[in-house]
Amino acid sequence: GDSVTQMEGPVTLSEEAFLTINCTYTATGYPSLFWYVQYPGEGLQLLLKATKADDKGSNKGFEATYRKETTSFHLEKGSVQVSDSAVYFCALSDQGGSQGNLIFGKGTKLSVKP
Amino acid sequence: DTGVSQDPRHKITKRGQNVTFRCDPISEHNRLYWYRQTLGQGPEFLTYFQNEAQLEKSRLLSDRFSAERPKGSFSTLEIQRTEQGDSAMYLCASSFVAGATGELFFGEGSRLTVL
Repeated sequence: GDSVTQMEGPVTLSEEAFLTINCTYTATGYPSLFWYVQYPGEGLQLLLKATKADDKGSNKGFEATYRKETTSFHLEKGSVQVSDSAVYFCALSDQGGSQGNLIFGKGTKLSVKP
Repeated sequence: DTGVSQDPRHKITKRGQNVTFRCDPISEHNRLYWYRQTLGQGPEFLTYFQNEAQLEKSRLLSDRFSAERPKGSFSTLEIQRTEQGDSAMYLCASSFVAGATGELFFGEGSRLTVL
């Protein structure tokens, strides 16, 4: 079945460092891909998405490009801030998205130190 | 606040008891989803509704789990005869059906602890 694998955490960075969180997926169809973020004490919220190959999603300085050839959707940010400390989840839409439900990776906890 | 709300936020119960969680979605959303999240894992899909119809329930974890959305608005998730392995965060999400790219809006979750 469809699945998502993302890099193990936790990841600890200093402020203004470059961030990459790797995400790869397995899917039989053509899923949409998502990054969700969970800040401490809050619910999951969509960070960015991409719906087809070579699309780039971006938001709040974060970017991810849908790479069909490598089945990847890595999250990047050029300069992280303390406020980016959170758990990040990579996800794909199940069964081509006809139901809208998502399959999530295990999450990567990011801690940014001042 | 007009986001997804869940109640209770935390439930502690003894093994064998029944528990019920409630979810109030964003009012204009017609799809409602339930997920379970255990420590160190991502959310795991359980079931979803479109309006009052439960369109997918094969991924409910056992026949002890059931969900309803009687009037197409709020939803309840019931777990009967709870077991310690049911301890987890139960997440509700809603969306307006818009094909494959629709965003899900999540509540803050209901944490279940089974003693």
